[in-house]
Amino acid sequence: SQQGEEDPQALSIQEGENATMNCSYKTSINNLQWYRQNSGRGLVHLILIRSNEREKHSGRLRVTLDTSKKSSSLLITASRAADTASYFCATVGIQGAQKLVFGQGTRLTINP
Amino acid sequence: AAGVIQSPRHLIKEKRETATLKCYPIPRHDTVYWYQQGPGQDPQFLISFYEKMQSDKGSIPDRFSAQQFSDYHSELNMSSLELGDSALYFCASSSRGPKAGNTIYFGEGSWLTVV
Repeated sequence: SQQGEEDPQALSIQEGENATMNCSYKTSINNLQWYRQNSGRGLVHLILIRSNEREKHSGRLRVTLDTSKKSSSLLITASRAADTASYFCATVGIQGAQKLVFGQGTRLTINP
Repeated sequence: AAGVIQSPRHLIKEKRETATLKCYPIPRHDTVYWYQQGPGQDPQFLISFYEKMQSDKGSIPDRFSAQQFSDYHSELNMSSLELGDSALYFCASSSRGPKAGNTIYFGEGSWLTVV
């Protein structure tokens, strides 16, 4: 991938459990955004976190950012079958590029 | 709320043909991005525009061109299509460029199949 690596590449858990996905990136960032994608569908924006922020919440989602380690995590609590999707982190770098660069994504499966 | 609108949603073209994809950004968004996503892959950046000027260019083939018009909509033109161009093409939009720290919203994508 151009920028980030996501870990794990695939995750399968039982409904009701929490799911944690990690993202690492290579260069200093302006902001980092998490997206969800159902198979063959559009990218749905979940959360944006800026480089001066450490944690953000939105409903059952919690995102952390550690700029010293160049990493972010997405936690989904009390997972539901409808959370089954691919999750991508994407970064906007500080230097140069006017674009969002995606990681490889984590395929999350929630088993009922 | 209005979202990013892409058309067509699906198209099938033969090799060496030309295709045009259209994108209508969220109202008052001045920045448009184009991405290509192959099966099982992450989205790859093609090109972006800010205030109708090209702002960045990624792995866009020379056979492809794009522009942003005065009403901020954008079109991606793809010529001499190859089988490898079959992919899901996304358009996204935001306000004041990516470094403004604003959310970048994506459309549902246009499925291109080259046969």
